[in-house]
Amino acid sequence: EDQVTQSPEALRLQEGESSSLNCSYTVSGLRGLFWYRQDPGKGPEFLFTLYSAGEEKEKERLKATLTKKESFLHITAPKPEDSATYLCAVQAGGNFNKFYFGSGTKLNVKP
Amino acid sequence: NAGVTQTPKFQVLKTGQSMTLQCAQDMNHNSMYWYRQDPGMGLRLIYYSASEGTTDKGEVPNGYNVSRLNKREFSLRLESAAPSQTSVYFCASRSGERDSRRGAQYFGPGTRLLVL
Repeated sequence: EDQVTQSPEALRLQEGESSSLNCSYTVSGLRGLFWYRQDPGKGPEFLFTLYSAGEEKEKERLKATLTKKESFLHITAPKPEDSATYLCAVQAGGNFNKFYFGSGTKLNVKP
Repeated sequence: NAGVTQTPKFQVLKTGQSMTLQCAQDMNHNSMYWYRQDPGMGLRLIYYSASEGTTDKGEVPNGYNVSRLNKREFSLRLESAAPSQTSVYFCASRSGERDSRRGAQYFGPGTRLLVL
């Protein structure tokens, strides 16, 4: 069964304290893995797409990496404005329109 | 560009009432989706439309119907609302397979539905 698990559920960091969020997945024929940011009361906002193991993408303080079983979202020297829930989703190869989302990691960065 | 818009933003229904959630996108995407988001759970796919004129069931379709009115608009209907349908509903559209962001979904702001 296709499944996506994110850990930890919640993460509290001090400003400047780097850390990583994990997304592990089991899916038949991964077509793509996606990271989204969701602020309270808003819809998810697209951050990155990763298509194959070994691929990396960067945007400001965020860096996403992908292996055959999991993805990491590395946050370097976070700021309070990075506080949000980060969602991971996978797109299975069999049906381009089937996406499986994890339950998210809620990040809180304290000044 | 407005991206993906949804109406209404918030709605309260009584058990058994019906309503339609509206969604429109201006990015010329073929594929559109309806998800629900509940506390502690990931986004769950209700229905999707791969192209104008087609719709398919997702993970949790029971109690819902959809209509792909044209390429821009995709509506979700609750025929007889139940308390279990209390949730936040998100509409999304997806970049095409030849787009540089192949597969990326763009979400609306959500509709918060409370069924009493």
